[in-house]
Amino acid sequence: NAGVTQTPKFRVLKTGQSMTLLCAQDMNHEYMYWYRQDPGMGLRLIHYSVGEGTTAKGEVPDGYNVSRLKKQNFLLGLESAAPSQTSVYFCASGALAGGPTDTQYFGPGTRLTVL
Amino acid sequence: AQTVTQSQPEMSVQEAETVTLSCTYDTSESDYYLFWYKQPPSRQMILVIRQEAYKQQNATENRFSVNFQKAAKSFSLKISDSQLGDAAMYFCAPNNAGNMLTFGGGTRLMVKP
Repeated sequence: NAGVTQTPKFRVLKTGQSMTLLCAQDMNHEYMYWYRQDPGMGLRLIHYSVGEGTTAKGEVPDGYNVSRLKKQNFLLGLESAAPSQTSVYFCASGALAGGPTDTQYFGPGTRLTVL
Repeated sequence: AQTVTQSQPEMSVQEAETVTLSCTYDTSESDYYLFWYKQPPSRQMILVIRQEAYKQQNATENRFSVNFQKAAKSFSLKISDSQLGDAAMYFCAPNNAGNMLTFGGGTRLMVKP
């Protein structure tokens, strides 16, 4: 039982390059989330998904796209990276809202630097 | 939209003593959960404790307990018998009906031996 895993752990991009971050969970959770954490700040929600095939915008969605083709995977894409997207990215998963286990479980994070 | 305020950017406590971290929030939700997460230098987000807003009884997990004041929208974390391993950033976060978390800016806790 690996919980929530993220690939890669570190990445350096040049401005304008694209990349995809992969999140996988083995807890059969319906909900999945992508957050970013800038230095000295709390996490902010980028996009989330309430089930396979569905996605929705969070607080800071601009410049990112997501896909949830399989229940266990949630992909975060940057089509044209900008230095402002330098951050640590966290994926999380959680059970159905309102259920007995509303806790979100986090992956280890991906540190992305855009030069 | 929810807002979360952690008014103490940094706190310091002597090993074995007790410290309280403050959190206030604003929400229009009637039913929600509140969480404290710990983030050590490894940056992994670790759940410390959770509280259901409809429960009046304050949650307790070993050395960690909360003081939840729903009317005042206050959710403080008390750490008893502080240990060196408690040194970390601590984040307060309520959720909403969609189970989306809103995080405060965090409090850095330092533990002095």
